[in-house]
Amino acid sequence: GAVVSQHPSWVICKSGTSVKIECRSLDFQATTMFWYRQFPKQSLMLMATSNEGSKATYEQGVEKDKFLINHASLTLSTLTVTSAHPEDSSFYICSNIAGENEQFFGPGTRLTVL
Amino acid sequence: GDSVTQMEGPVTLSEEAFLTINCTYTATGYPSLFWYVQYPGEGLQLLLKATKADDKGSNKGFEATYRKETTSFHLEKGSVQVSDSAVYFCALSRGGGNKLTFGTGTQLKVEL
Repeated sequence: GAVVSQHPSWVICKSGTSVKIECRSLDFQATTMFWYRQFPKQSLMLMATSNEGSKATYEQGVEKDKFLINHASLTLSTLTVTSAHPEDSSFYICSNIAGENEQFFGPGTRLTVL
Repeated sequence: GDSVTQMEGPVTLSEEAFLTINCTYTATGYPSLFWYVQYPGEGLQLLLKATKADDKGSNKGFEATYRKETTSFHLEKGSVQVSDSAVYFCALSRGGGNKLTFGTGTQLKVEL
């Protein structure tokens, strides 16, 4: 199946700083990528749909100015958590669509904000 | 709105035991149903899916049947192995667009 990578796999930052998370399609081109957030022992919550060459579509309740998404190419989407605070600590997961509309997920990025 | 409920874990079984992980859903219309598996340190992988009522998805010895009358999609395997230890997520997708609604995940631990 398709391979999706995320970088970094984990990051610790101070409150008030910004953190960028990369999501890459390693062996296919993805016009659409999804960003999810997962809290401990909770389900994955869709944050936004990232479309190559256009603005991302955010789910209700997700602050677009807080979580900046850039899908600059068919193989790379980035999520930037701006002015991070401890409540932003979470597990962030991206996915791409390939083949018969199947989603392929990255391994996730653990963000801890001190 | 759409929702997926699955049994809480962790579920701990001995090798070769029978596995059932319950999943029920709430959605209007006719969603597609999925089971994803996440092995330690890896991303979620599609395990199996069913797109209409009474369909049975199967893969790697796992099975799940789309039961519209009970709005369920329970995951079963006749004989689990240690290598099946992972977190299993039930999910649905409705109306195209590929948006997935996930359950909370169930951790399975299989011991020798």
